[in-house]
Amino acid sequence: GAGVSQSPSNKVTEKGKDVELRCDPISGHTALYWYRQSLGQGLEFLIYFQGNSAPDKSGLPSDRFSAERTGGSVSTLTIQRTQQEDSAVYLCASSLGVGREQYFGPGTRLTVT
Amino acid sequence: QKEVEQNSGPLSVPEGAIASLNCTYSDRGSQSFFWYRQYSGKSPELIMFIYSNGDKEDGRFTAQLNKASQYVSLLIRDSQPSDSATYLCAVRATSGTYKYIFGTGTRLKVLA
Repeated sequence: GAGVSQSPSNKVTEKGKDVELRCDPISGHTALYWYRQSLGQGLEFLIYFQGNSAPDKSGLPSDRFSAERTGGSVSTLTIQRTQQEDSAVYLCASSLGVGREQYFGPGTRLTVT
Repeated sequence: QKEVEQNSGPLSVPEGAIASLNCTYSDRGSQSFFWYRQYSGKSPELIMFIYSNGDKEDGRFTAQLNKASQYVSLLIRDSQPSDSATYLCAVRATSGTYKYIFGTGTRLKVLA
């Protein structure tokens, strides 16, 4: 079946602009996670959604970052007033439920110039 | 102290040998453990998951979990050059959250 999809695959933006990154999880997966991976670094947790529960936003690095998940499916990560340090690969993962194995999308490579 | 620790490597093994990758974690209450493979420039790919003490085998891969010693390992038998990648260990956090804590990964090089 179809895996996790993310768009765009690459995004180049100017410092100060807003960007939206999209994640479409595997059908039927109730949990959705966002991570950030800088070059040569590990995965940094940003936020997760589980069903209709309030999301765990504890990993968002600043109030410029926000995310929503509409209808329990597609999620959008928004970064306002982008900074150069926001440059990274943003990965989305979904799972059948929290605590279960996660499946990752291909990622969005964000470059802030 | 890092919550999930892995030796960064590189770990070099000859083709056909057994590669042994190790991971230690600090949260004694952790219940779920995962191994991912990440090729350069690609996203992580699930290899194995293990929830109970002991061994779990899937093809050439064996995950081993020892909760008393707080470590989880991944053995790759008959290593192939195509196994060359970074292997990430992940542990599901406890204490009222469902976050996953990832190690920084071990780079494996299988020499032909």
